[in-house]
Amino acid sequence: DSGVTQTPKHLITATGQRVTLRCSPRSGDLSVYWYQQSLDQGLQFLIQYYNGEERAKGNILERFSAQQFPDLHSELNLSSLELGDSALYFCASSNSGANVLTFGAGSRLTVL
Amino acid sequence: GQQLNQSPQSMFIQEGEDVSMNCTSSSIFNTWLWYKQDPGEGPVLLIALYKAGELTSNGRLTAQFGITRKDSFLNISASIPSDVGIYFCAGLRMNYGGSQGNLIFGKGTKLSVKP
Repeated sequence: DSGVTQTPKHLITATGQRVTLRCSPRSGDLSVYWYQQSLDQGLQFLIQYYNGEERAKGNILERFSAQQFPDLHSELNLSSLELGDSALYFCASSNSGANVLTFGAGSRLTVL
Repeated sequence: GQQLNQSPQSMFIQEGEDVSMNCTSSSIFNTWLWYKQDPGEGPVLLIALYKAGELTSNGRLTAQFGITRKDSFLNISASIPSDVGIYFCAGLRMNYGGSQGNLIFGKGTKLSVKP
C-alpha cells in the first residue's frame, strides 16, 4: 500500500457521460498529480495541484477538470466522455517535488 | 513536446540473465528516474539520478545518468521471476524561472519470462 488511495478502482460508462475520480494523497503530502496511462501513449501528465491551488497543467483536455480540496484530496472530472478516454488514470502525491512521486493503484476507466 | 525514447519496447528474460534498457532524449534533463509497474498497481520508484555521470545501485539494479544528460540506462543483474513488469524511465527538467518542471515518462519496457 503506497498510501495514495484512488477510487473507484474500475469504472465502466458510456460515451457522452461524466465521471469523477477521487484521490487521497499520502499523509503529509501537499501536491497531487494526475496522469493518464493509455496503451499507446504511456504515462501522460495531466495536471498538478499544490495545497489547493493549480500548479501546472499538462496535456489535459478541456473536457477534463480537477480540483484539490482543503483536506487535500483531489478529484478529476471527465465529461462528454469519448471512446478514446478509456485509460488508467493515476494520481500521485509528493511533499517535495516531482522527483519523489508516490503513485496510487489507479482508476481504470472503460468508455463503451 | 519533450519525448523520451525508451528501448527496447519489450524483452523476454530467462532467470539468471542480465537485462539492459535505456532511455534517450533530444532534450537535457536535470534528473532521471526509473520506475517499475506491476500489473494492477501504480509505478514504484526504483532509482533516482541527480548528476551527469552518476552511477547508482539498488540491489541488483544499477542505473546511470548519461554524461550528455540526454540519456539514462538501467541494468538488472541475475534476473529473477519477480523482475517481470513494465519499467519506465522518467526525466525532470528545470523551468526557465528555475522552478521544477514535471516528469516526462518514456513509454516503458515490458519484461516477460521466456516460455
